[in-house]
Amino acid sequence: AQTVTQSQPEMSVQEAETVTLSCTYDTSESDYYLFWYKQPPSRQMILVIRQEAYKQQNATENRFSVNFQKAAKSFSLKISDSQLGDAAMYFCAYRSALAQGGSEKLVFGKGMKLTVNP
Amino acid sequence: DTAVSQTPKYLVTQMGNDKSIKCEQNLGHDTMYWYKQDSKKFLKIMFSYNNKELIINETVPNRFSPKSPDKAHLNLHINSLELGDSAVYFCASSQDLSGGTPFFGPGTRLTVL
Repeated sequence: AQTVTQSQPEMSVQEAETVTLSCTYDTSESDYYLFWYKQPPSRQMILVIRQEAYKQQNATENRFSVNFQKAAKSFSLKISDSQLGDAAMYFCAYRSALAQGGSEKLVFGKGMKLTVNP
Repeated sequence: DTAVSQTPKYLVTQMGNDKSIKCEQNLGHDTMYWYKQDSKKFLKIMFSYNNKELIINETVPNRFSPKSPDKAHLNLHINSLELGDSAVYFCASSQDLSGGTPFFGPGTRLTVL
C-alpha cells in the first residue's frame, strides 16, 4: 500500500520570504500523480499543484513550484514571496495512475500547518 | 456555478439519530468520493463511485451508506450516529478512475452530541 509522509507538522515563514514544505512517499508503482492541497481556516480543500510521475519537468503554478525527485520518492513544495493568504494546512497526496478499482483514491499525508508572519 | 457542492455545511445532532449529507458536482465527472477528516486533520477515503457504481468501500461501518442516483450526485446516509462519527466529511469528484485531478466540495462538519 502507498504511504505519504509529511514529517514537519508545523512551519512558519516571514511574509515575502520563501519556504519549502517536504513530502516523501512510498510506492512500488511507476506511474502515478502527486498533489499538494491547501486547506485554509475556511476548511475548503484547494488544489495547489499537480505533478505527473512520468514528467521529468517540475510543475510550477505562479509562486508555487515543486521539486520532484522520483528516485528518492520526494515531492517538496516551494512557496516563493509568501503572502499572508498562504497561511493554511498543506497536504501532500498520492494517486495511482492505474485505472482499476480501488487505486483511484487519494492517499494523504498528515498535513503541515504553515504560519505566515507579517 | 460551484463545481462541487455539499449540503448542509454544518450538522449538529444527537447520538442515535440518522442523518444525510448531499453532494452534487457540475463538472461532468464520472467519479465521486467521500473522504473523512478526523479531529487531527487526517483525511481518509471512505467510498468512491464511478458512473453510479460503488468502487471503493474502505472498511467503513455499515451504518454509513452511500447512494448515487446519477453520476452527478453522491449522497451519504449515516444511521445510528455515534460520538466518533464527529468529523468533517468531504465530497470530491474527478474526471475518471485514472488521471483526473480530484476537486473537493466545501465539507460538512458533523457534530454528534
